[in-house]
Amino acid sequence: NAGVTQTPKFQVLKTGQSMTLQCAQDMNHEYMSWYRQDPGMGLRLIHYSVGAGITDQGEVPNGYNVSRSTTEDFPLRLLSAAPSQTSVYFCASSPGTSGLLYNEQFFGPGTRLTVL
Amino acid sequence: AQSVSQHNHHVILSEAASLELGCNYSYGGTVNLFWYVQYPGQHLQLLLKYFSGDPLVKGIKGFEAEFIKSKFSFNLRKPSVQWSDTAEYFCAVNAGGYQKVTFGTGTKLQVIP
Repeated sequence: NAGVTQTPKFQVLKTGQSMTLQCAQDMNHEYMSWYRQDPGMGLRLIHYSVGAGITDQGEVPNGYNVSRSTTEDFPLRLLSAAPSQTSVYFCASSPGTSGLLYNEQFFGPGTRLTVL
Repeated sequence: AQSVSQHNHHVILSEAASLELGCNYSYGGTVNLFWYVQYPGQHLQLLLKYFSGDPLVKGIKGFEAEFIKSKFSFNLRKPSVQWSDTAEYFCAVNAGGYQKVTFGTGTKLQVIP
């Protein structure tokens, strides 16, 4: 298994540009999530999904969109990039059961995004 | 809403010293608790977890944590640290299987040879 994969690893955007961060998992996990990691602030939940077709907002959802058309993929879209979105983004998955989270999360390698 | 506090932001220890990292959470009901570790340049990986049962949980690489419900704490311990333990450590809480996991702000551990 490749586990959780993320692309790209690094990205530089200009203010106002849009882009999609890709995340895929091959473990047939129901639960997937996106976090951003900023110095001194730990990981903050952006959006999460408990299964294909079901998404919900986390702690810091503004400026981001997600969709979950398949179990495997959970892309994160930045609609109009801002310097405040400069961060490291982690995708994670977990074998949640019936929409609940009773297991640990498996994290991807991260995407380091810089917005100029 | 659930929250997690890690009071030690940066800890420096010499090799062979004992380690205890504090973690307190705020939620009155059933909780699932985790400690994750992030080695330099790598992604997060699970150290240990508590869901139920024995409140003393043993994880990988000699780490353990004790769940004390009355103190809302889940402190991480290791009797003798190694240089390879240099990393950032995150405590996380999931309130009773609820869909969101809340992470603490992390503790950077530096172990000096």
